[in-house]
Parts: sequence; structure tokens; C-alpha cells
Amino acid sequence: SQELEQSPQSLIVQEGKNLTINCTSSKTLYGLYWYKQKYGEGLIFLMMLQKGGEEKSHEKITAKLDEKKQQSSLHITASQPSHAGIYLCGAAPRGSTLGRLYFGRGTQLTVWP
Amino acid sequence: EPEVTQTPSHQVTQMGQEVILRCVPISNHLYFYWYRQILGQKVEFLVSFYNNEISEKSEIFDDQFSVERPDGSNFTLKIRSTKLEDSAMYFCASSGDRGHQETQYFGPGTRLLVL
Repeated sequence: SQELEQSPQSLIVQEGKNLTINCTSSKTLYGLYWYKQKYGEGLIFLMMLQKGGEEKSHEKITAKLDEKKQQSSLHITASQPSHAGIYLCGAAPRGSTLGRLYFGRGTQLTVWP
Repeated sequence: EPEVTQTPSHQVTQMGQEVILRCVPISNHLYFYWYRQILGQKVEFLVSFYNNEISEKSEIFDDQFSVERPDGSNFTLKIRSTKLEDSAMYFCASSGDRGHQETQYFGPGTRLLVL
């Protein structure tokens, strides 16, 4: 199986501050997904990364997949209360064609005004 | 924007009872999934389904679980005899392609409580 470790487990920042969440895999990442979950709700897709060195941005959120494809980071610039939630990274095992995703435990982000 | 829907949002049942959780995937998607999340734990894969058959199932998905696509729109997860440890949030997801290039879109979940 593929293990994903996220750090930090939780993060409390003041509105306007930048922050980074990391996701480290026990195996090479074939496809890395970032989702956001509000407590007790569904997973909202944010971004998917596939190639080593790839970087994608959506509004104030940027995700990168490192060259060795075993780590990804999610960076939020000028955080806002709307960014609060649980950020999950999910990975598809290399060589798998069956679409199963493994998830990290999540990083809980709190943004205070 | 198309989305995955799930019903009911909450379900309370007695241990030993059967429950059916329902999902309506995004209409043009071909691949369907069930995941669960026990409170405070990771989201865990249960099963994937394509072309009216199971593609893959995890060790969690034992004989008490079954999935079905009874018509062209619904995708169901049945737990035949619920146990206390089945209490969790159950998420349905769908994707257009089984490959890694396609994103799995998740529904809002059904919170199942087994008493």
C-alpha cells in the first residue's frame, strides 16, 4: 500500500499570512491529488499533479510535485477565513490502473481574522 | 456544474440491520467508487466499479458489503448486517476515466451511525 504523511497536522494562521502544507509519500507518486474537506462534509477537488516538477495554481493556492515525485506541497498566499478546512492529499499507486486513491490524514487549517 | 449527490445525508440504524446508501454519480462518468472515513481517521477506499462489475475492492469490503448500479443513474452500497464499527461517513465518487489523468469527484457523504 502507499502511505502518505501530511505535515503539519494542524495549522492556525492569521488572515493574510502565507502557509505551506506538505505531503510525503512512501512510494513514487504517479498522480497526486489535493482535496479540501470542511468538517463533516465531502471532499472538494483542488488540483492534480502528475509530472515531477509540475506546479499548478488556482486563485491563491499553488501546488507543486517535486522532481523525485515523492513529495508535494500546497502553498496558500494571503490566507483568508474561506481557506479554513481540512486539506487532504491523495495518491494513485504507480502502475495501478484501477483508480484507487490512498489519502493522508489531512491538515486542519484555521484562519483567524 | 455537475456534481455527485448522495442520499440520505444521515442514517441511524440498529446493529444487524441492513442499510442501503445511494449515490447519483456525474452523468457522463463511467467509474464509480465508495470510500469511508471513520471519525478522526483517514479516508479509506472500499470499492471501485466499472462496466457493471467490481474493479477492485479493499480488505474492508467483505461479504457484508455489496454494490449495485440498478439503473442508469444510481449507484448503491449495501451493508447487509451492520456492525458498530461500520459507523462512519461514506463517500461516493465518480470519474470519467480509470486512468490517473482523471479526477475523482466526491459526493457530500452519508453519515452512518450504527447503535
